[in-house]
Amino acid sequence: DAGVTQSPTHLIKTRGQQVTLRCSPKSGHDTVSWYQQALGQGPQFIFQYYEEEERQRGNFPDRFSGHQFPNYSSELNVNALLLGDSALYLCASSLGGQTNRYTFGSGTRLTVV
Amino acid sequence: KQEVTQIPAALSVPEGENLVLNCSFTDSAIYNLQWFRQDPGKGLTSLLLIQSSQREQTSGRLNASLDKSSGRSTLYIAASQPGDSATYLCAVKGPGTASKLTFGTGTRLQVTL
Repeated sequence: DAGVTQSPTHLIKTRGQQVTLRCSPKSGHDTVSWYQQALGQGPQFIFQYYEEEERQRGNFPDRFSGHQFPNYSSELNVNALLLGDSALYLCASSLGGQTNRYTFGSGTRLTVV
Repeated sequence: KQEVTQIPAALSVPEGENLVLNCSFTDSAIYNLQWFRQDPGKGLTSLLLIQSSQREQTSGRLNASLDKSSGRSTLYIAASQPGDSATYLCAVKGPGTASKLTFGTGTRLQVTL
């Protein structure tokens, strides 16, 4: 039973570029949440997707956008990258409306230079 | 706005010691509280989940308690081992189906031989 899969594992981008991160949820899960974790900090909520719609959003600028596909997989897009966007991006999946227990992926390490 | 604090930020103990990690949160209107383990540069592994109506949960050498009214949770690790070395994060989920997880900044634990 595959857990949450994220790709790529590492990524280096230049300021001003755009990046797309991908997430496949755990089998049977239909809800995907994205978190940003800066070095030495706890994860910060970016947004959550359920039934292909953004259901909730954290305090992140519009440069951060996402999408959920019919197979429940999800993408996180970040435009006009800033140095401060360097972080570990974590995807978490869960089941249904209650989003009771989250399963996290191993993350994508994004470095902006 | 929910805020989660973890004390201490770092802890070093010799192998075999019992230890307690602390987590406090400002808004007692939570749905559940989860403790996670994170190894360096890796994703999150869920250790214990306590529903708001529960007082504690146990898994092996781990025991987590929750006092919702006072906004506190503790993670007790018995007979610590070097393999327990990691960062431990607590996260609270607010009420509502779409509610996000709010994380603390974690406690970095090192268990020495």
